[in-house]
Amino acid sequence: IAGITQAPTSQILAAGRRMTLRCTQDMRHNAMYWYRQDLGLGLRLIHYSNTAGTTGKGEVPDGYSVSRANTDDFPLTLASAVPSQTSVYFCASSPDRGYEQYFGPGTRLTVT
Amino acid sequence: QKEVEQNSGPLSVPEGAIASLNCTYSDRGSQSFFWYRQYSGKSPELIMFIYSNGDKEDGRFTAQLNKASQYVSLLIRDSQPSDSATYLCAVNSIRSGYSTLTFGKGTMLLVSP
Repeated sequence: IAGITQAPTSQILAAGRRMTLRCTQDMRHNAMYWYRQDLGLGLRLIHYSNTAGTTGKGEVPDGYSVSRANTDDFPLTLASAVPSQTSVYFCASSPDRGYEQYFGPGTRLTVT
Repeated sequence: QKEVEQNSGPLSVPEGAIASLNCTYSDRGSQSFFWYRQYSGKSPELIMFIYSNGDKEDGRFTAQLNKASQYVSLLIRDSQPSDSATYLCAVNSIRSGYSTLTFGKGTMLLVSP
């Protein structure tokens, strides 16, 4: 692989279910991010990780959790999905915080 | 609240013309500035970044930065229909103790043949 991969590509999920969105990068970037993109609201940061073993809350963290056990992987978990979490989710990585970010292909999630 | 403002458009230009996309930002401490292109249904793609005042050219693209005016722009010369997309401006900001990019909501560009 080259770059960032995300899985699944799309998902329809019943409200109340738990879901993990996967993100893997092979660029050995230190920093990784999760965004959601909604029409009219743009890209909003959910959680970030400046380096393996550390994570932090972004602009809209409620209802989401992340972990960063190693450099390559940064999964995003919705513990109990709600319809307002219907969105397109993008994972991104950066050589270091504050530098250019490279985006994965996205996951389109619909919560019914 | 650190903000990045862009005209939502659409900006319509004929093929071969110069497209000018503009962005203003509120955080005077910002040091890094980025332009992304996003086709409908796709993820944002980095096309330019600029750190210093002045112009930076890459092929048909020129990024312009004026930190005193808190203004960054993207010029696309010889615009092609394939340039039709939404262009996102992003600015490095410090928010609540963390460093990240703050994105504008994007300007839609339509290039007509």
